[in-house]
Amino acid sequence: DAGVIQSPRHEVTEMGQEVTLRCKPISGHNSLFWYRQTMMRGLELLIYFNNNVPIDDSGMPEDRFSAKMPNASFSTLKIQPSEPRDSAVYFCASSSGTGTAGELFFGEGSRLTVL
Amino acid sequence: AQSVTQPDIHITVSEGASLELRCNYSYGATPYLFWYVQSPGQGLQLLLKYFSGDTLVQGIKGFEAEFKRSQSSFNLRKPSVHWSDAAEYFCAVGSNAGNNRKLIWGLGTSLAVNP
Repeated sequence: DAGVIQSPRHEVTEMGQEVTLRCKPISGHNSLFWYRQTMMRGLELLIYFNNNVPIDDSGMPEDRFSAKMPNASFSTLKIQPSEPRDSAVYFCASSSGTGTAGELFFGEGSRLTVL
Repeated sequence: AQSVTQPDIHITVSEGASLELRCNYSYGATPYLFWYVQSPGQGLQLLLKYFSGDTLVQGIKGFEAEFKRSQSSFNLRKPSVHWSDAAEYFCAVGSNAGNNRKLIWGLGTSLAVNP
């Protein structure tokens, strides 16, 4: 299995630009999670989907952030417009089952730098 | 409030020495407890998890953890540390209530291993 695949691995952009991060979950997993990791705040859950439906987006910082999951094999996290404080590593993870019992499988992350 | 505390931000041990990483939690429901490890530049990987039953759980890479309900703790241990164990370690808590898939994460403990 190829695991969770994220792209791009690194992104450097200027303030105000649109950023799109992509994720391909493990085939057969029914849940997908977007996390943000920073030194100051640690690992934060932004949003998660069950069966392609957004279940909890309370962690999305503000309207500049949006996430979609058009099908079971693809999800995007978009930031528009981007700001320097959005600089972080963004992780996508997928899981199967229900509740929190299922193991999370993380991608290698997308490191975003907003200048 | 639900929270996970990892009191040690950074720990350094010598190769071959024993290791204990602390984790304390505050959680209203019956907790499911997890330890994940993050190697530099990588995503997180599940080391072990506790749902019920035997309070001493075994994980991958020779790690174990003990759930102590009276102390609200779930400390991670390894009898003999290897240089390859140098990484960031995260404790997390969740539940299997309904369809809730959110985990509460600690801020992590960074482990350095001296040769």
